[in-house]
Amino acid sequence: EVQLLESGGGLVQPGGSLRLSCAASGFTFSSYAMSWVRQAPGKGLEWVSSISGSGSSTYYADSVKGRFTISRDNSKNTLYLQMNSLRAEDTAVYYCAKDSKFTIFGVVFYYMDVWGKGTTVTVSS
Amino acid sequence: DIQMTQSPSSLSASVGDRVTITCRASQIISSYLNWYQQKPGKAPKLLIYAASNLQSGVPSRFSGSGSGTDFTLTISSLQPEDFATYYCQQSFSTLALTFGGGTKVEIK
Repeated sequence: EVQLLESGGGLVQPGGSLRLSCAASGFTFSSYAMSWVRQAPGKGLEWVSSISGSGSSTYYADSVKGRFTISRDNSKNTLYLQMNSLRAEDTAVYYCAKDSKFTIFGVVFYYMDVWGKGTTVTVSS
Repeated sequence: DIQMTQSPSSLSASVGDRVTITCRASQIISSYLNWYQQKPGKAPKLLIYAASNLQSGVPSRFSGSGSGTDFTLTISSLQPEDFATYYCQQSFSTLALTFGGGTKVEIK
């Protein structure tokens, strides 16, 4: 069974740091890009960051660029999100998601087909 | 960034109703559009990918259509387990993925 399990969330003061982890199982981890998506309390979904299967390419939302770093350890089947200079507006449930692709007539479409249960990050003094 | 606008933001419907949710992109995104369902306290679940392709295991009462800037998610006969919030998401710009604001489907 394909599974993703996030950990590392918690309460942190503004300006502090936190590292989230996402343990993957049930699929060939290194073959898939992965993403982090967050949801602030009572709000919608917000894409945070993505990383290619090899880890060589990374992408960030403008709201976290320069503060967050996505990485992966394919030998440990684990995805990470290092979060620095945290702000109150970073308070959210953070989900990791597996990115799959669908190819038709040479065109590649991406979608997030498996999600973890999420880990809660609260930034408050 | 590409803005995704969903309408309505919420709706009330009865079991058995046909429900349609609309998603509009701020620029042409071809068929790079996915739909997700989220229930309270749970992670999102993929329903439709590439605008009209039903994810494995998703009931056939769900369908997606559209291309360019305008997309639709249709539930042909609403079931009790379908009361949830639905989000569209564009994957045209992989440098900046964006979600719609969500549509909450409630019981009438």
